[in-house]
Amino acid sequence: DAGVTQSPTHLIKTRGQQVTLRCSPKSGHDTVSWYQQALGQGPQFIFQYYEEEERQRGNFPDRFSGHQFPNYSSELNVNALLLGDSALYLCASTPDEGFGGYTFGSGTRLTVV
Amino acid sequence: QQQVKQSPQSLIVQKGGISIINCAYENTAFDYFPWYQQFPGKGPALLIAIRPDVSEKKEGRFTISFNKSAKQFSLHIMDSQPGDSATYFCAASMSAGHNFNKFYFGSGTKLNVKP
Repeated sequence: DAGVTQSPTHLIKTRGQQVTLRCSPKSGHDTVSWYQQALGQGPQFIFQYYEEEERQRGNFPDRFSGHQFPNYSSELNVNALLLGDSALYLCASTPDEGFGGYTFGSGTRLTVV
Repeated sequence: QQQVKQSPQSLIVQKGGISIINCAYENTAFDYFPWYQQFPGKGPALLIAIRPDVSEKKEGRFTISFNKSAKQFSLHIMDSQPGDSATYFCAASMSAGHNFNKFYFGSGTKLNVKP
């Protein structure tokens, strides 16, 4: 059973560019959350998607946006990239029924130069 | 405002020793406290979790101790092994309300178990 799959694994972008990161949740999971993990820090909540809608959002600017598709997969889009956006971006999935810990993907390492 | 504070930042333990990592939280609405283990280049993996209705939970060599009145919880790794060398994160969440399933993570503890 495949877990959470993220692509690409690494990405280098230039300041001002836009980037799209992709996530396929674990089979049976319908809720997807995105986190940003700066080097040496804990993950920070960006937003969560359920039933193709953003259900809740962390303290991130509108440059960060997302989408969830009918098959529960999700995209994270970041516009007007800043050097400070360089981080590991983690996708995590959960089943909406019940409550428990996330299953995380291995992340996308984004470097902004 | 950091919702979950974790210490120490790094920890060196001899093989066979006990590793102890501590976390403190502010929001009394938190009712789910997981610990995650992260190896370089990988995403965090759920290690063990506890709810505030119990004071201790043990799974193999890993134990969570929970002190609700002090708003603190800790991870104990017994008989630490070099394979346990990783970064450990505590987290907290609420099982209900508008912040359902939104996790607040500590800043991490890098554990190095010496052979």
